[in-house]
Amino acid sequence: ILNVEQSPQSLHVQEGDSTNFTCSFPSSNFYALHWYRWETAKSPEALFVMTLNGDEKKKGRISATLNTKEGYSYLYIKGSQPEDSATYLCAPSLSSNDYKLSFGAGTTVTVRA
Amino acid sequence: NAGVTQTPKFQVLKTGQSMTLQCAQDMNHEYMSWYRQDPGMGLRLIHYSVGAGITDQGEVPNGYNVSRSTTEDFPLRLLSAAPSQTSVYFCASQGSSYEQYFGPGTRLTVT
Repeated sequence: ILNVEQSPQSLHVQEGDSTNFTCSFPSSNFYALHWYRWETAKSPEALFVMTLNGDEKKKGRISATLNTKEGYSYLYIKGSQPEDSATYLCAPSLSSNDYKLSFGAGTTVTVRA
Repeated sequence: NAGVTQTPKFQVLKTGQSMTLQCAQDMNHEYMSWYRQDPGMGLRLIHYSVGAGITDQGEVPNGYNVSRSTTEDFPLRLLSAAPSQTSVYFCASQGSSYEQYFGPGTRLTVT
């Protein structure tokens, strides 16, 4: 069980504004960092899987960076839209053979039109 | 291709009753897992399986049993339901892409 912290717990963003939030995890024995997007009344869906220090992933207006040495990842939303409203979960994994994920409690983003 | 399916979607149990939550996937994934989601706590791993015939405990296994007789199915059994098991339960599967695919969830209330 890994200690995974996400901050802030929630945030409200005006439509069109950009925002970012953090996932912190133990930097030792790290293999990969997973980001999931979880919309209300739906199931979590994978956004990114990141393994390399300095890695950056992008999907549309959402991007993420990874610092494995200090144990954190940032997720950015550029020009937030109401459809970006969701809870964003992160979860590190320890090895390529270890599929167990320890999820953080998530950051809930609400985009106001 | 249905992905990951779960039944039932909703269930109300009385304390002490037993039941099985069903999970099936049609993606031929070896890895399957069960999570519970409680307010403010994110997803917590209950049990997982790396293939047919192989299961292991996750973070919160007490009060739950699992079996994996086929690649497709991974049922979760509540032996004697307790109010503390009121939660939303998600089943997930994973192939070689490191992405976990989640089912729609089962909302369980134990009174």
